[in-house]
Amino acid sequence: NAGVTQTPKFQVLKTGQSMTLQCAQDMNHNSMYWYRQDPGMGLRLIYYSASEGTTDKGEVPNGYNVSRLNKREFSLRLESAAPSQTSVYFCASSERGGTGELFFGEGSRLTVL
Amino acid sequence: AQSVTQLDSQVPVFEEAPVELRCNYSSSVSVYLFWYVQYPNQGLQLLLKYLSGSTLVESINGFEAEFNKSQTSFHLRKPSVHISDTAEYFCAVRAGRRALTFGSGTRLQVQP
Repeated sequence: NAGVTQTPKFQVLKTGQSMTLQCAQDMNHNSMYWYRQDPGMGLRLIYYSASEGTTDKGEVPNGYNVSRLNKREFSLRLESAAPSQTSVYFCASSERGGTGELFFGEGSRLTVL
Repeated sequence: AQSVTQLDSQVPVFEEAPVELRCNYSSSVSVYLFWYVQYPNQGLQLLLKYLSGSTLVESINGFEAEFNKSQTSFHLRKPSVHISDTAEYFCAVRAGRRALTFGSGTRLQVQP
């Protein structure tokens, strides 16, 4: 019973490098999300996907792209990493049309030097 | 638009003392409200939620929260805390079909 799985858990990048964070859920949820967590700022929504084939911008989408590969998988890509993107990234999923309750992965800690 | 304000960034408290973590929200439509807990180096776990019905909701580990529509608040309380309650607590709101919006978090530090 894995729930939401994120990889990698830790990553160090140099400014300008690119990388993709992977997320997969096994709960048959329709909706998936990417949040970033920064000290004193809580969690801020980057992108979300209400259902397979759709993606929408959240509060802080600049510098990121996403792909909803299939119902299970939702990836987050940094094309040219910047120090301001140093953060902990969380993937989450929820039932579409439900209460909005989110189920979270364990997070991916990214450092951009 | 929806927003959440957690009034205290840190709350130090002694073991077995009561605690209240404050949360206020703003929304022009009816809401669902949540408290999540994050233990060190872990993801967020749902602690409790208010969807409808009774305004007082409880968790399995002794926390409770009361939805107060007139004051737009959803404060979290526990009558007697344990060392193991040390964690960061996040209040979140969902209005309509929007994704959850989180507060900035309150770090609860339980001291022996």
